[in-house]
This record gives sequence, structure tokens and C-alpha cells, in this order.
Amino acid sequence: SAVISQKPSRDICQRGTSLTIQCQVDSQVTMMFWYRQQPGQSLTLIATANQGSEATYESGFVIDKFPISRPNLTFSTLTVSNMSPEDSSIYLCSVAYTTNTGELFFGEGSRLTVL
Amino acid sequence: AQSVAQPEDQVNVAEGNPLTVKCTYSVSGNPYLFWYVQYPNRGLQFLLKYITGDNLVKGSYGFEAEFNKSQTSFHLKKPSALVSDSALYFCAVRSTGRRALTFGSGTRLQVQP
Repeated sequence: SAVISQKPSRDICQRGTSLTIQCQVDSQVTMMFWYRQQPGQSLTLIATANQGSEATYESGFVIDKFPISRPNLTFSTLTVSNMSPEDSSIYLCSVAYTTNTGELFFGEGSRLTVL
Repeated sequence: AQSVAQPEDQVNVAEGNPLTVKCTYSVSGNPYLFWYVQYPNRGLQFLLKYITGDNLVKGSYGFEAEFNKSQTSFHLKKPSALVSDSALYFCAVRSTGRRALTFGSGTRLQVQP
């Protein structure tokens, strides 16, 4: 299985600031995704991070709020912009491999608290 | 569109007893079904999946799940629960045309000693 490292693991941020979360995988993957898990809730897909091109966002999520980069096959970043307390969540990076028949692998998440 | 329903917010079971965590799904075409477990302050760990073949699939830590196409269900089971099984369990689905997973609301499993 993949080794997926996320930084930071947790942070406390002030309203109106932005924070960038990094996701590093130990081997090349075909697809990378970013999910959000709000307190006590399930996982919601934010976007698919596409290598070398703009991310594909799900309904309800926009690039201005959640800009995503994926410069190569092992690294991606998610920025949470102009944060408000409603952005307090766990943000999870997830990956899929070329030969993988279905399951996604997840990082341990980045827990953001916005004051 | 694809969706997953986990009708129970919490399941309580005594250690040593069998456990079942329920999941039903809706998807266009053939479903790919998954179970994940989340321990406190941890990411999601993959337990098992159904892609095709036998309706009963076996996974990690003694868990298994039964795919029932007519009932569109994929219930997670374990013959004998352990206190260490206490965690949050998520069912997920995807269709053949989509790579990302759609998750259910989660079921908290509490195993009492």
C-alpha cells in the first residue's frame, strides 16, 4: 500500500488567512483526490488533482476557495483560502494506482481549526 | 449519480458476539463497493472491496462483507467482535465510469468488554 504523508497534520488558523496542505506519496500514482471531513461528518470529495492541469472540482467547491496544484505524479497541494470557522475540518489526500482495481489510499489527514 | 446509505449511526455489540454494520447503495451500472475504518485522529484504512466474483468477500482483521445485488446491500460482518474493533466504519461506492469514491455517513461501532 501507499505511504502518503500530509503536512501539516494539524493547525490552528485565524479567520481570513490561507493555509496550504501538502501531500507527498512514496511512489507514482495515477490519480490524487482531496476530501473534506467536517466534524462528525462523512467524507466529501472536493476535487480531483490533475497533473499539469487545473483540478476538477465537485459541485459546491470552487478554485478560488480551494486552489489545488499537482506538479508531478507524487505531490499535490490544497490551499484553503480566506478561511472562516466553517472551514474547520479534516482535509484528506487520497490516491489511486494504475494497476489498482478500485480502492483508494488515504493520508492521515490535516486537521484545521479556524478561530 | 451514486450514493451510499448507512442507516445506523451507532452499533453496540458485546465482545465475542457477531457484528453487522449495514450499507445500501445506489449506482448506475456495476458497483464497486468498499469498506473503510477510521480510528480516532487517524486517516482511513481500507478493509475490503467487492469488484466482481464471489458475493462474500473477506478482508483485513477478520472482517467480511456480503454483496447482495437484489437488495443493493453490502453489509460488513465479523463473527466475533473485539474491543479493538471499536471505531468509525465507512461504506463507499463507485461506478465504472468514476474513479473517486462516494462515502456513506459512517457508523460508529462500539464493542463492550
